[in-house]
Amino acid sequence: DIVMTQSPDSLAVSLGARATIHCKSSQSVFHSSTSTHHLAWYQQKAGQPPKLLIYGASTRESGVPDRFSGSGSGTDFSLTISSLQAEDVSVYYCQQYHSLPRTFGQGTKVEIK
Amino acid sequence: QVQLEQSGAEVKKPGASVKVSCKTSGYTFTDYHLHWVRQAPGQGLEYMGWIYPKDGGTNYAQHFQGRVTMTSDASISTAYMELTSLRSDDTAVYYCVRETWFYANWGQGTLVTVSS
Repeated sequence: DIVMTQSPDSLAVSLGARATIHCKSSQSVFHSSTSTHHLAWYQQKAGQPPKLLIYGASTRESGVPDRFSGSGSGTDFSLTISSLQAEDVSVYYCQQYHSLPRTFGQGTKVEIK
Repeated sequence: QVQLEQSGAEVKKPGASVKVSCKTSGYTFTDYHLHWVRQAPGQGLEYMGWIYPKDGGTNYAQHFQGRVTMTSDASISTAYMELTSLRSDDTAVYYCVRETWFYANWGQGTLVTVSS
């Protein structure tokens, strides 16, 4: 199984400041069939199902604000919120969809400082 | 638009079984794998397996092998996940998810509480 490890576990950032979450996979998630990294990011607010933010490591899902961006390659990835808004308080998960079983990072809780 | 509507909350005793349904709409049910993911209270997301409604093929995570059965009924665009021999640590919200490689469409979740 591919192990996904996020850091930090929690993050407190001032409104308007940048927040960066890291995700490391235990093996490459580059998929030759699509020539992309099979790495997604999700946002989960309390009491709601996760919401897809980013797929292919860096492609923003339709309707996601452009303050959210994904980057990385190989086994190291990151999600950046360029200017934190109050509505961004959530838990964020990375996920690999390279192989079965699908696996998620443990989650990073983002709060307002 | 794509929608996944799950059945309501359940309370079960240890050793019992639970069957959660996921009624889909807005897309061709048989064209996509339907995955199940669960989340224990305050915990992260755990993949359980998938079903491919076109041929009924399934794949179950090793952790659930022997206890989970995923089925589907294409006539009503509905998938089901049954978990047997329930334990207290099966208390969780269970989600169905339409897979398009990644997970763009989620059900609202079904809380299953296992308690004596």
